[in-house]
Amino acid sequence: DAGVIQSPRHEVTEMGQEVTLRCKPISGHNSLFWYRQTMMRGLELLIYFNNNVPIDDSGMPEDRFSAKMPNASFSTLKIQPSEPRDSAVYFCAVSGRLNTEAFFGQGTRLTVV
Amino acid sequence: AQSVTQPDIHITVSEGASLELRCNYSYGATPYLFWYVQSPGQGLQLLLKYFSGDTLVQGIKGFEAEFKRSQSSFNLRKPSVHWSDAAEYFCAVGAEGTYKYIFGTGTRLKVLA
Repeated sequence: DAGVIQSPRHEVTEMGQEVTLRCKPISGHNSLFWYRQTMMRGLELLIYFNNNVPIDDSGMPEDRFSAKMPNASFSTLKIQPSEPRDSAVYFCAVSGRLNTEAFFGQGTRLTVV
Repeated sequence: AQSVTQPDIHITVSEGASLELRCNYSYGATPYLFWYVQSPGQGLQLLLKYFSGDTLVQGIKGFEAEFKRSQSSFNLRKPSVHWSDAAEYFCAVGAEGTYKYIFGTGTRLKVLA
């Protein structure tokens, strides 16, 4: 996880508010992934980017979710408006080459009340 | 469709005992296989990976895994478990030709002193 820095580590927000999760990958990784982890559904891939371009967003649950990667060293995942069922741990991960391992950040624990 | 199955949700072993965590995958081509460990409040850390070659792979922290194509399995083993090994373990398969990873539901390991 040394290759990925996520912020904040914890976020508590009220239902209906906008939430922005941030990810700063260390350079040299071409692919970036956003995952959501819950007890019920385990690890779900939400979206992934390759060379800053979104490749597959089929895992994004609803239009309330959006992700951007304006450059190779920064990505955001936004939820607007947030709902209690969005409560989960959100992970950012990166990989350098095709079919190599992914390196995970420490995650952001989101609680929507 | 690609899938990963970890049949054991929870496993409890005594410290010093041997450990085997099971992982079965469904994938048409040559799989890229991974084991990750997640400690509480942390991200996923790579333990080991298999891409090709020797079917017995060594990882960090004394773990090893064996790829058995005939059984579609990639079980994780450790000869002597330490209390610090208590964590959740995830098996994952990389989809060839893409950057996507499919994770199993995880096995939570408890170690008795």
